Amino acid sequence: GENVEQHPSTLSVQEGDSAVIKCTYSDSASNYFPWYKQELGKRPQLIIDIRSNVGEKKDQRIAVTLNKTAKHFSLHITETQPEDSAVYFCAAYNYGQNFVFGPGTRLSVLP
Amino acid sequence: NAGVTQTPKFQVLKTGQSMTLQCAQDMNHNSMYWYRQDPGMGLRLIYYSASEGTTDKGEVPNGYNVSRLNKREFSLRLESAAPSQTSVYFCASSNDRGYGYTFGSGTRLTVV
Repeated sequence: GENVEQHPSTLSVQEGDSAVIKCTYSDSASNYFPWYKQELGKRPQLIIDIRSNVGEKKDQRIAVTLNKTAKHFSLHITETQPEDSAVYFCAAYNYGQNFVFGPGTRLSVLP
Repeated sequence: NAGVTQTPKFQVLKTGQSMTLQCAQDMNHNSMYWYRQDPGMGLRLIYYSASEGTTDKGEVPNGYNVSRLNKREFSLRLESAAPSQTSVYFCASSNDRGYGYTFGSGTRLTVV
């Protein structure tokens, strides 16, 4: 079955710097890759996603890139702000299978 | 449009007691899921239901049962609660292609 690895497990950046979180997946049939943000005590919420026919997607300060050949995808956050501090989860999905989530990355944005 | 609604939000049980966590979605999704999240940990799938009338075990099903009552509702039952089941439980739903994957607000369960 699918296996998703996520690195780093914790990440601290200075406010205004960029943050990058990387995920790798094992099943080449996976075709949908969402990212979720979970603030302390709250539910995970979708922040951006990418489908396998697209290499990059941007939404304001957030971007996701996908390399299908290498089977990895990354979340990029630019101009980080304190409100970006949260746990971020990547996931991989193949039609007819279940979502498989990565173990999460705790991002801390230091003022 | 409420999305995914879970009840209760908090619950304290004594060891051996039983309870049912309720989940309902109003997005006409076919697939529904139950996860547990322990402190500092990721999301572990307990059970899922790909469609009304079907349920399947996930990664950590022991000690739990589920019922897909209809397309909207998917409940999780603890028959005899144990301290190891202290956790935050999230329900989620999605359409057939995984899109629109939405989590409920969670149930914080403590078993003493």
